[in-house]
This record gives sequence, structure tokens and C-alpha cells, in this order.
Amino acid sequence: KNEVEQSPQNLTAQEGEFITINCSYSVGISALHWLQQHPGGGIVSLFMLSSGKKKHGRLIATINIQEKHSSLHITASHPRDSAVYICAVDIRGDDKIIFGKGTRLHILP
Amino acid sequence: DTGVSQDPRHKITKRGQNVTFRCDPISEHNRLYWYRQTLGQGPEFLTYFQNEAQLEKSRLLSDRFSAERPKGSFSTLEIQRTEQGDSAMYLCASSQQGYGYTFGSGTRLTVV
Repeated sequence: KNEVEQSPQNLTAQEGEFITINCSYSVGISALHWLQQHPGGGIVSLFMLSSGKKKHGRLIATINIQEKHSSLHITASHPRDSAVYICAVDIRGDDKIIFGKGTRLHILP
Repeated sequence: DTGVSQDPRHKITKRGQNVTFRCDPISEHNRLYWYRQTLGQGPEFLTYFQNEAQLEKSRLLSDRFSAERPKGSFSTLEIQRTEQGDSAMYLCASSQQGYGYTFGSGTRLTVV
């Protein structure tokens, strides 16, 4: 079992829809990251969370430490949001981050 | 400082050849990480440096792979005698003491 599990693996939605991507992890963490990867490979850091909720524009990230679960929400989705969204965790006591497999999001115009 | 730079962006090589990739981290960052990502998978840890010291290597890093960070600034990742299974995206990231990761755009390797 992977230490970081994401769902769904793939998601296709219409422009304007509210999007939710989930991440569950099985280890103690010091922080959780949400990352965006576009075709071509480069990764952009969206959020780093250790508790609560963060918002940036149309993106909202939440984390529940007790339940070891985080969600990434996109409001008023747009075709330019199409990308792979990756959840990654800083394992407590370790010096590297562990990645989920990513959620491939496709927003249709 | 324009972030983490990786060179080249793409590399096509014949099986059996050696390849070397370079990563230039953010100058203030003391940690540098190499990850490998195959199609449909999340990035997998290969190795990381704190300054010039290589502190951890994954078992994925076979003896054909070597990484260096000679002066604690840029790093190189060399793959000797490449195999088709080495085809992947090689990602570099840097951070300051494990906080605030910045990722490069990656080097996509295709072994033919």
C-alpha cells in the first residue's frame, strides 16, 4: 500500500464545475503539499499545509491531521486548470517528501 | 534568481550510452533532491544532498547512477550504460532545510 493515496486517479468535468481531489496518507507528517504538473513535466507548488485550510484564488486546500486526509478544491473550474495534481507529504523525522501518483484533471470547455 | 533550473530539458540517447543531467538550485537553498517520474506515476525519491554531502540514496539508485554536488551549489546526475527502463522524467528540487520546496522543470530522458 502506498503511503500517499489520491482519488480519483482521473477526473473529467465541465467548465465551471466545483472540483474536489482527495489525498489520504498513512504516516505521521510534518506538512502536506499540493502540487500542479502540466504536460512537459514542470511541477509548481500550490500549497503547503500543516493544519486547517488555505485559499489562493479559486483554489482551496484543507487538511484534517487526525483523519490523515486532505482535499484540494477548485471553484469555477476552467480548461486552463487541466493538469495533474499531486499530493505529497513531509514524513515526520525524515528529510524528503513522498508523492502520491497524482490526479489527472481535464476540464472541458 | 529564477528558480531551479535543469539542463537539458530533453535527452534522447541510445541504449548503452552515458548521460549527465545538471540541476542548479535556488542559491540560498542548502538541500537538493533528485526524483524520477515514470508515466502515470508520482515522482520517486532517488537521492538528496545537504550542501555537498549526499545524505541518502534510494535503492532505486543502482550502481549505474551517480550524483554529485561538489561545491554545495549545482548538482549532476549521471547514468552510465543507459537502459530502456531508465526512460523517465528526472526532477530536481531544492529547499532550505526541508522547508519550501521549489521544483525544476525536469529532464525527460528517452533511451532508444
